[in-house]
Amino acid sequence: KAGVTQTPRYLIKTRGQQVTLSCSPISGHRSVSWYQQTPGQGLQFLFEYFSETQRNKGNFPGRFSGRQFSNSRSEMNVSTLELGDSALYLCASSRDGTNEKLFFGSGTQLSVL
Amino acid sequence: DQQVKQNSPSLSVQEGRISILNCDYTNSMFDYFLWYKKYPAEGPTFLISISSIKDKNEDGRFTVFLNKSAKHLSLHIVPSQPGDSAVYFCAAGRYSGAGSYQLTFGKGTKLSVIP
Repeated sequence: KAGVTQTPRYLIKTRGQQVTLSCSPISGHRSVSWYQQTPGQGLQFLFEYFSETQRNKGNFPGRFSGRQFSNSRSEMNVSTLELGDSALYLCASSRDGTNEKLFFGSGTQLSVL
Repeated sequence: DQQVKQNSPSLSVQEGRISILNCDYTNSMFDYFLWYKKYPAEGPTFLISISSIKDKNEDGRFTVFLNKSAKHLSLHIVPSQPGDSAVYFCAAGRYSGAGSYQLTFGKGTKLSVIP
């Protein structure tokens, strides 16, 4: 069974641009969560989607948004990029939707110059 | 406001000895706790979990202890092996009321097991 797949693996953008990251959960998993990992802050929760609906949201500005499609694939978008948005963005899926056990992808490393 | 704290950024242990990783939390609403392990260039992988109704859970070389009164969680690895060298994240979960747990992660502890 394929794991959680995130694309692209690396991304370089400049300030002010926008970016879209993609995540394909494990087949059959309906819940997708997004996390931001930075060296100083660890893993911070962005948002969670279940059956195409945002179920939970973390404390990030509105520049961060996401969506989930009917096949459970998810995208997150960051508009008007700032230098501080440079981070590893991790996607995780949950089999039963409770998030008691998350399966993470390898992440997308975003660098904002 | 950091609700889950891992106060040791790094830890070095000799192969064969015990590794003890610690985690403190402040929110008494957390009722589910987990440890994840992360190797470089990979996503975190689930290691072990414990519900707030228990004070200990074992899985092979890994044991998690929960002290609710102290709001303290620890992970014991016995015996430690070089392959255990990784960053360990503690996470605490609170039922969000929307059908799922919302997890809060600590900043991680980098464990180095010296052969």
